[in-house]
Amino acid sequence: AQSVTQLGSHVSVSEGALVLLRCNYSSSVPPYLFWYVQYPNQGLQLLLKYTSAATLVKGINGFEAEFKKSETSFHLTKPSAHMSDAAEYFCAVSSPGGYQKVTFGTGTKLQVIP
Amino acid sequence: DAGVIQSPRHEVTEMGQEVTLRCKPISGHDYLFWYRQTMMRGLELLIYFNNNVPIDDSGMPEDRFSAKMPNASFSTLKIQPSEPRDSAVYFCASSPTSGRGGGANYNEQFFGPGTRLTVL
Repeated sequence: AQSVTQLGSHVSVSEGALVLLRCNYSSSVPPYLFWYVQYPNQGLQLLLKYTSAATLVKGINGFEAEFKKSETSFHLTKPSAHMSDAAEYFCAVSSPGGYQKVTFGTGTKLQVIP
Repeated sequence: DAGVIQSPRHEVTEMGQEVTLRCKPISGHDYLFWYRQTMMRGLELLIYFNNNVPIDDSGMPEDRFSAKMPNASFSTLKIQPSEPRDSAVYFCASSPTSGRGGGANYNEQFFGPGTRLTVL
């Protein structure tokens, strides 16, 4: 069985401050890990993904995430928050080997304060 | 390329009525997923298809819900009869198959814009 836990359903940061959204995973095999972003009234779109290559993954809009096996974590970061980053962010986990079910976290809403 | 297309974008109906939601996946994608998103339950997988065949419908809440995929470019999710508790945003997503062109499938999913359903 696989799962992800997102710590904090709501996170607020000031514009220009560091963004840190936390995700811990549980998987019996080396996982694939994803971060998706959902802007208001839109579907989810892929921000970045880890697929067992480099442990530091860079995504769109200046976001990046680091896979840490020892901590079973895949936290999402951005050095400087922009107002346009306000959205809901979902961490997700899957497994290699053909199609495997993707399990989504409960989401973290990011508020950016001007 | 067009992404996943869903229609309608908004649907308001009365309790007891039949509701049909539609989805056109990205061309060439072999997997299609239906999700439901609510404040209380978050994002729930209802059912998914592979090559037009339903693979796992364990997330379908009850017999009032049914989904079909008559061909590779079209799927429907039907609720009959609808109830107020069915009010949610319903997403369709698609994913390419594994091994195409020698590349791996990382299970990345491409989501449509969703249908916001309100049952009065």
